[in-house]
Amino acid sequence: EPEVTQTPSHQVTQMGQEVILRCVPISNHLYFYWYRQILGQKVEFLVSFYNNEISEKSEIFDDQFSVERPDGSNFTLKIRSTKLEDSAMYFCASRAQGVTCFFGQGTRLTVV
Amino acid sequence: AQSVTQPDIHITVSEGASLELRCNYSYGATPYLFWYVQSPGQGLQLLLKYFSGDTLVQGIKGFEAEFKRSQSSFNLRKPSVHWSDAAEYFCAVVSNFGNEKLTFGTGTRLTIIP
Repeated sequence: EPEVTQTPSHQVTQMGQEVILRCVPISNHLYFYWYRQILGQKVEFLVSFYNNEISEKSEIFDDQFSVERPDGSNFTLKIRSTKLEDSAMYFCASRAQGVTCFFGQGTRLTVV
Repeated sequence: AQSVTQPDIHITVSEGASLELRCNYSYGATPYLFWYVQSPGQGLQLLLKYFSGDTLVQGIKGFEAEFKRSQSSFNLRKPSVHWSDAAEYFCAVVSNFGNEKLTFGTGTRLTIIP
């Protein structure tokens, strides 16, 4: 069964460093998302991406964040200069024309 | 703004007992509703969804949910829980048609005791 794949599963980085979280969405999907879940809190929307551009972003998604679909398969989230409060589980999700989103296993980002 | 409320932060049930997890939503139009499950160390797995039609929907792993428009609820049920059902359960609503972004509840952590 097709699935969304995220790498790495766990990333530890020093404050101020850049990180790139990688996702391979399901192959025929067209809409891509990043969500995050700070420990003990709800899953919250960061950004959506369609047709090679951002379709919506949340207040969290400031200038430190960027997304890219560099080729036909990968979808990345870059955090330019990480802060302690960026520590969270980051989920990639994708969907086809329907409404249902499929999520990856997540990347746990720890900023120290 | 759309919102989802899961009033129970933590529920403990005995293995074999029945389960009901509550979810209330606030949304002006007919919502698209989802339940996801997050097992320890795992991602979010879709359990079931409601778009329209029959208000009782069946999902994977023996779960079902009932949409009640009059109560703005979409409660998740299972007649007999198994130890492997221990997980965090999230109710979510599509809050922006066109973009289809999900608004999640705060989650309910389910503990199963022998």
